[in-house]
Amino acid sequence: GQNIDQPTEMTATEGAIVQINCTYQTSGFNGLFWYQQHAGEAPTFLSYNVLDGLEEKGRFSSFLSRSKGYSYLLLKELQMKDSASYLCAVHDRGSTLGRLYFGRGTQLTVWP
Amino acid sequence: DSGVTQTPKHLITATGQRVTLRCSPRSGDLSVYWYQQSLDQGLQFLIQYYNGEERAKGNILERFSAQQFPDLHSELNLSSLELGDSALYFCASSTGQGIDEQYFGPGTRLTVT
Repeated sequence: GQNIDQPTEMTATEGAIVQINCTYQTSGFNGLFWYQQHAGEAPTFLSYNVLDGLEEKGRFSSFLSRSKGYSYLLLKELQMKDSASYLCAVHDRGSTLGRLYFGRGTQLTVWP
Repeated sequence: DSGVTQTPKHLITATGQRVTLRCSPRSGDLSVYWYQQSLDQGLQFLIQYYNGEERAKGNILERFSAQQFPDLHSELNLSSLELGDSALYFCASSTGQGIDEQYFGPGTRLTVT
């Protein structure tokens, strides 16, 4: 099966940088996604990594190391609206096309 | 707006009852996924359909069933409801033809009393 681990909670202050880590164990890794979910709302797609390295998208960046089974989401210049849960999800080569395995999410609280 | 629609937005019902949740995927998406999210649980995958056929099953109870119709909309049927079934139910869609992101609907909040 798949084992995805991420911290339960993190806090940071407005304007700061925060790094949310995700480690995973899968039988056949085939890509990693990050989603943002505000309380009571739908998850929304943030980033996708399949190759090692850093993908940058504005204030958000995502990094992947396949050999270490490790990814992180980096949020810069934090804003209050970034307070949300951040979900790490992996695609496994052995699973059906499209199916993702989600971690339990990291609840980020941004303080003024 | 993700382009995925779900109805109803809220549903309150009693234990033992049966409800149907409806989902319309984004235009062009062939794959539909159903998830359950309780307060103390993460996003739990229930089931996936692709172009009308069941593709994958997750932690779906026998009391739950789903189907995808020829027009690609999907329904999730929950029967013999229990208090513990109270949760947010999300539908997501994707093309299903590669490894692409899933687009989530706004969810249906089910409360069983």
